[in-house]
Amino acid sequence: DGGITQSPKYLFRKEGQNVTLSCEQNLNHDAMYWYRQDPGQGLRLIYYSQIVNDFQKGDIAEGYSVSREKKESFPLTVTSAQKNPTAFYLCASSRLAGEGTDTQYFGPGTRLTVL
Amino acid sequence: AQSVTQLDSQVPVFEEAPVELRCNYSSSVSVYLFWYVQYPNQGLQLLLKYLSGSTLVKGINGFEAEFNKSQTSFHLRKPSVHISDTAEYFCAAMNNQAGTALIFGKGTTLSVSS
Repeated sequence: DGGITQSPKYLFRKEGQNVTLSCEQNLNHDAMYWYRQDPGQGLRLIYYSQIVNDFQKGDIAEGYSVSREKKESFPLTVTSAQKNPTAFYLCASSRLAGEGTDTQYFGPGTRLTVL
Repeated sequence: AQSVTQLDSQVPVFEEAPVELRCNYSSSVSVYLFWYVQYPNQGLQLLLKYLSGSTLVKGINGFEAEFNKSQTSFHLRKPSVHISDTAEYFCAAMNNQAGTALIFGKGTTLSVSS
């Protein structure tokens, strides 16, 4: 089955620690995205990548970092510089525009809690 | 798209009643429009999308939406809801240019009771 996997499902972090959230897709999509979800605020874009070894900041990139060394993988690191990291994190992927719909498909999410 | 507004944060309805979840967008260019559903502690599932063509779009689970360019709206409707439709619904928009990201509304919580 094709899809997007995120791990872990739940993650606990102490203040001052960096943590990395995993996102893998086997849909052969070129573009991948990270969103943060907070209650009542919808989804906000953190970073996105359209091709390997390239990525762009979204609306709330401060305190986060990403890498895109492989087409299938787009890990997100939440650094100690992120002031309020407790949230639900969603990864998505899509084909690029010009190849069809550009619809984004989402993974199941990772809930990060800072203790 | 520059912004997406979901006009109701919560919509309570009784089972088998009709429902409409409202969404307005602002954009200076043509847009693609989407509705997603999210069940508790899960990712987002695509309900339907408008890219071009017919303004009435049918999606999964009996939902449909109508694109109204003059009113910049994309309201989601279902003629008869079930308890299982209880979830959070997100409207999203994207400029129809290569590689642009989705802009999401803040979500509408649909609560269906018996």
